Amino acid sequence: SAVISQKPSRDICQRGTSLTIQCQVDSQVTMMFWYRQQPGQSLTLIATANQGSEATYESGFVIDKFPISRPNLTFSTLTVSNMSPEDSSIYLCSMEMNTEAFFGQGTRLTVV
Amino acid sequence: AQSVTQPDIHITVSEGASLELRCNYSYGATPYLFWYVQSPGQGLQLLLKYFSGDTLVQGIKGFEAEFKRSQSSFNLRKPSVHWSDAAEYFCAVGVGKLTFGTGTRLTIIP
Repeated sequence: SAVISQKPSRDICQRGTSLTIQCQVDSQVTMMFWYRQQPGQSLTLIATANQGSEATYESGFVIDKFPISRPNLTFSTLTVSNMSPEDSSIYLCSMEMNTEAFFGQGTRLTVV
Repeated sequence: AQSVTQPDIHITVSEGASLELRCNYSYGATPYLFWYVQSPGQGLQLLLKYFSGDTLVQGIKGFEAEFKRSQSSFNLRKPSVHWSDAAEYFCAVGVGKLTFGTGTRLTIIP
């Protein structure tokens, strides 16, 4: 199995500001994934982050709004930029190992 | 494109009663299927997964699921629910990059 440490666990931010979420994995993985879970909704994939290359974004998500870094095989960050109340969600990072996806505990973001 | 449908948004059952949560999927190849549970304020926990072999899969907490290719279904079952099973349940398909259903909220009546 794998352990993913995600932080912060929650934050309240002012609109127009940015928040960077960090995920640390206890093993080396090629791909990491970032999801958004809006209030009362399911999880939606934001992007796939490969080490050493640009992240691949899903339809409806752009790099300027959600820049991602992947400096090595155990770490990734997602930044939520120029936040608005509509960005209030839970953000989760994930990785896959032996066909199983492991998730961080999530970051509950509230934008006021 | 892969997709998952969970037709039941909210289900209420009595403690001790049996449970079945429905999941239908669309996937271009042999599907990798998962059921996750999310308790309030908690992260996602994997209940069980299927990608080959026996179509009846046993998971944690007494849950099982049956893969039926002809029906494109992967329904989750439990013979007797406990109050602690109250949570949101998500069906998902894919490998690494997952597509989730909209979830089913399970409420348990004492």
